[in-house]
Amino acid sequence: NAGVTQTPKFQVLKTGQSMTLQCAQDMNHEYMSWYRQDPGMGLRLIHYSVGAGITDQGEVPNGYNVSRSTTEDFPLRLLSAAPSQTSVYFCASSYSRRGSSYEQYFGPGTRLTVT
Amino acid sequence: ILNVEQSPQSLHVQEGDSTNFTCSFPSSNFYALHWYRWETAKSPEALFVMTLNGDEKKKGRISATLNTKEGYSYLYIKGSQPEDSATYLCACRSSGGSYIPTFGRGTSLIVHP
Repeated sequence: NAGVTQTPKFQVLKTGQSMTLQCAQDMNHEYMSWYRQDPGMGLRLIHYSVGAGITDQGEVPNGYNVSRSTTEDFPLRLLSAAPSQTSVYFCASSYSRRGSSYEQYFGPGTRLTVT
Repeated sequence: ILNVEQSPQSLHVQEGDSTNFTCSFPSSNFYALHWYRWETAKSPEALFVMTLNGDEKKKGRISATLNTKEGYSYLYIKGSQPEDSATYLCACRSSGGSYIPTFGRGTSLIVHP
């Protein structure tokens, strides 16, 4: 299994540009999440999904969109990039079955810089 | 969104010292508490998951305890080594809702040789 994969690893955008961060998992996990990591802030939840076709907002959703058309993929779209979105983005997935540990499996991260 | 707090924010210790840090969380509707180890330039990796009051988990020199009644968990590292240097994150899940965890801000541990 590849686990959770993210592309690209690095990206530089100009203010106002849009782009999509890709996330895929091959573990048949129902739950998938996007986090951003900023210095001193830990991991903050942007959006999450509990299954194909179902998404919801997390703590810091503004400026981001998500969709979940398949169990495997959970892309994060930046609509109009702003310098405040400079961050490292992590995608994570976990089982949702009752009695499981709900341990999060993280992707390698995407480092995004917006100039 | 749960209020999950970790202390201290950072910690510097000498090789061989034992250390511990705290994660506090709301005790109501508690479901599970996770500890993750996060090395620089890598992804967080799971250390422990605990669900029952009084749970204790151990992996090598690292152990953790859980008190769900008062809403805290301790992570202990015995005889710290430079390779233990990392950020340690705790994440709390509540029952009901989406079961998506809320992460604390982490404790950054630096172990000096």
